[in-house]
Amino acid sequence: AQTVTQSQPEMSVQEAETVTLSCTYDTSESDYYLFWYKQPPSRQMILVIRQEAYKQQNATENRFSVNFQKAAKSFSLKISDSQLGDAAMYFCAYRNGGATNKLIFGTGTLLAVQP
Amino acid sequence: ETGVTQTPRHLVMGMTNKKSLKCEQHLGHNAMYWYKQSAKKPLELMFVYNFKEQTENNSVPSRFSPECPNSSHLFLHLHTLQPEDSALYLCASSQADSRGNQPQHFGDGTRLSIL
Repeated sequence: AQTVTQSQPEMSVQEAETVTLSCTYDTSESDYYLFWYKQPPSRQMILVIRQEAYKQQNATENRFSVNFQKAAKSFSLKISDSQLGDAAMYFCAYRNGGATNKLIFGTGTLLAVQP
Repeated sequence: ETGVTQTPRHLVMGMTNKKSLKCEQHLGHNAMYWYKQSAKKPLELMFVYNFKEQTENNSVPSRFSPECPNSSHLFLHLHTLQPEDSALYLCASSQADSRGNQPQHFGDGTRLSIL
């Protein structure tokens, strides 16, 4: 069975600085997708970024980028130029390739942004 | 506006009550999901519906009864709940295709408290 581990329950970053959130996963599949979701106090789960396992190039979305290390089964999220609005719970999630649409989530990392 | 609307936002009920959670998606998606989010635990997938057919029941107790009358609406009927059922219940939708690679869009959740 696939698992997702986020080893940092809480992180803190100064405004305008860079922070990296860690995620590791375990799978025997070669075709899969990885996601980072953000959940602010408003509770809405928002997709931040996604990565297809078959792509070697790391995904980037504006100030958000990932470091995808397939051999190490690591998928970290880097937030550059942190803003107060980035404060939220961040969840790493995994999904097998193919027709399945079942997401497996980690326990989350609570990110605080200090002004 | 997320495209996925959940009502009510908060619900307090006794263990003998019967209530229903409602989810509506305005995104034209063909798959809908119920998740349970408890403190310090990963999101737990409860049910998946594809084209109104239930394709996943993740060993959920029978006191939770889902209903999907059409691809835009999803209900979760609750009866005889237990205190450990207190949690945030999130609904999501996605466009499921043969590659299963479309991201899920989440609602704001219903915060359920069982007295």
